[in-house]
Amino acid sequence: DQQVKQNSPSLSVQEGRISILNCDYTNSMFDYFLWYKKYPAEGPTFLISISSIKDKNEDGRFTVFLNKSAKHLSLHIVPSQPGDSAVYFCAASGGRSQGNLIFGKGTKLSVKP
Amino acid sequence: EAQVTQNPRYLITVTGKKLTVTCSQNMNHEYMSWYRQDPGLGLRQIYYSMNVEVTDKGDVPEGYKVSRKEKRNFPLILESPSPNQTSLYFCASSPRPGYTEAFFGQGTRLTVV
Repeated sequence: DQQVKQNSPSLSVQEGRISILNCDYTNSMFDYFLWYKKYPAEGPTFLISISSIKDKNEDGRFTVFLNKSAKHLSLHIVPSQPGDSAVYFCAASGGRSQGNLIFGKGTKLSVKP
Repeated sequence: EAQVTQNPRYLITVTGKKLTVTCSQNMNHEYMSWYRQDPGLGLRQIYYSMNVEVTDKGDVPEGYKVSRKEKRNFPLILESPSPNQTSLYFCASSPRPGYTEAFFGQGTRLTVV
């Protein structure tokens, strides 16, 4: 069973507009969530995280929102830039995962100039 | 520079020929793990290690072995590779599991023919 779901395999956005990437989880014991960004031929790099005691965390153009009741988190990128084009992975940890990160399948973001 | 180094970056091998993918980190991290990335399946954990001489299975451990004799090194061993192990492999390390960002290597693309 897939505990972390990213239901949109791809997303295309115009430069300067907002990108919203979504992630759902099923395990209510997860209490820490992270977003990673991956360019082709490179390893994933950490982008932003949020603890379950918060509902929002912001870092520059990137904001992550957490809705615990809906078991849903989203990553907002404003404004989107062509250099943001990459695959974005949502990950979660906590509970029986023993701190191991459980990743979603990823969403490929394309930002068009 | 803080980094996780994997070797080789690319490898083509034949079925049944034992191989080792090396992973080394220079951040004195206790926690290390191996993932494989396959199209449509995202990142799946193969094995992880909480510290020296402490290893455990992830979600997809079949056909793989690991060892952790030193803190900095965490090699992935395929004793008898098969074509279904053709994949992109990533090694990662972090100070502790789950609640901090993980640093990933650049990946090893393995093809088993």
